[in-house]
Amino acid sequence: AQTVTQSQPEMSVQEAETVTLSCTYDTSENNYYLFWYKQPPSRQMILVIRQEAYKQQNATENRFSVNFQKAAKSFSLKISDSQLGDTAMYFCAFMKHSSSGNTGKLIFGQGTTLQVKP
Amino acid sequence: DTEVTQTPKHLVMGMTNKKSLKCEQHMGHRAMYWYKQKAKKPPELMFVYSYEKLSINESVPSRFSPECPNSSLLNLHLHALQPEDSALYLCASSQTTGGGQETQYFGPGTRLLVL
Repeated sequence: AQTVTQSQPEMSVQEAETVTLSCTYDTSENNYYLFWYKQPPSRQMILVIRQEAYKQQNATENRFSVNFQKAAKSFSLKISDSQLGDTAMYFCAFMKHSSSGNTGKLIFGQGTTLQVKP
Repeated sequence: DTEVTQTPKHLVMGMTNKKSLKCEQHMGHRAMYWYKQKAKKPPELMFVYSYEKLSINESVPSRFSPECPNSSLLNLHLHALQPEDSALYLCASSQTTGGGQETQYFGPGTRLLVL
């Protein structure tokens, strides 16, 4: 069974600074996807970034980038130039690739609450 | 456009009531999902529909009854709920459940309170 662990329940960062959220996972699969979702206080879950395990290049989306270390089973999210609107709960999630019998099931971590301070 | 809509936004119901939650997407996605989320917790998967057929039921009590009338619409029928069922109910959709098209997009949720 796959598990996802986010070891930082809460974090804070000053506006305009950089923060890194950690995520580790456990799986015996070789093909899979990893995601970071953001859920602001308004509660809508928003996809931040997605990484395919077979790609060595780390995914980036504007100010958001990941450090994907497949051997270490680590998938951290770096937020650069933090903005007040980045205040949210961040969930790391794992999904098996369809070649491994994926049925659409996302495995979520427990989440990290990030507060960006002015 | 990655919009998933859900109605109602809020719902208060008694334990003997019957109500329904509605989810709609017009992105041509063929997989749709229901999740339950308690405060400050990750979403818990309840049901998965793939091509309008139920593919996953995560041992959800029968007081929750999903329905997928067509590829754009997903309902969750509620009957005889318990106070512990109070939560945020999230709907999500993806193009499919495989083939590199599994990324799920979430709706804003329905906040349910059972009295």
